[in-house]
Amino acid sequence: GDSVTQMEGPVTLSEEAFLTINCTYTATGYPSLFWYVQYPGEGLQLLLKATKADDKGSNKGFEATYRKETTSFHLEKGSVQVSDSAVYFCALPNTGNQFYFGTGTSLTVIP
Amino acid sequence: ETGVTQSPTHLIKTRGQQVTLRCSSQSGHNTVSWYQQALGQGPQFIFQYYREEENGRGNFPPRFSGLQFPNYSSELNVNALELDDSALYLCASSLESPSYNEQFFGPGTRLTVL
Repeated sequence: GDSVTQMEGPVTLSEEAFLTINCTYTATGYPSLFWYVQYPGEGLQLLLKATKADDKGSNKGFEATYRKETTSFHLEKGSVQVSDSAVYFCALPNTGNQFYFGTGTSLTVIP
Repeated sequence: ETGVTQSPTHLIKTRGQQVTLRCSSQSGHNTVSWYQQALGQGPQFIFQYYREEENGRGNFPPRFSGLQFPNYSSELNVNALELDDSALYLCASSLESPSYNEQFFGPGTRLTVL
C-alpha cells in the first residue's frame, strides 16, 4: 500500500546550519507530495507541495524536489533559524484522498 | 475568515465510555477529514466527509463513526473507549479534495482514556 518513510529524529542544529530531512515514498501512480509542519501547541500547517515528478515545492526558504527515480521528496533549507523549531511531516494522498503521513521529524534549532 | 476550530480542547474519559468530538470547518469548506495522532507519531487517517457523506475511511473499527452537518461542521464519535484511543484528534477542512486544495487543520482535541 501507499506509505511514506521519514528519517528518524530528533534533529538538533545550530542557527544558520543546513537542514535536510529525508522522505521516501511508496505509491501507486504519481501522487502529489506534501510537507507539513507542526509548531508546538498548534495544528499542522502545509509547508509546501509538489504535484508531479521533477516539480520543486518551496516556501519560507524550505525546498523539496519530487524525485520519481529515487521515490524521494527530501526537505532542505540552507540556513535554519530558531523559529524553524517544529515537527515536520512528509505526506501523500492516495486516490481516495486518504492522506498518509510519516512519523514526523522533530527539529530543534539552537542559537 | 475564521479557521478550523475544535472542541473540547482536552477530555478525560474511562474505558468503555463514549465520546463526541466536534469540528467547525473553515468558511466555505465542504470537506472534513479526521485524524488520530498518537504521541510521537504522524496523524493516521480515520475518515473523510464530503457534503455530509462519508468519502473514504482508514483502518479504524466501526466504533469510530462520524457525521457532517449541512453547515459542514462535523463530529467524531468513539464508542467503547479503549486505552489505546488516547491521542490527539485532528480535523482538517478543505474545499473539495485536499489532494488539490490545501487542507487546514484545527489545533486538535487531546483525549485521555484511563
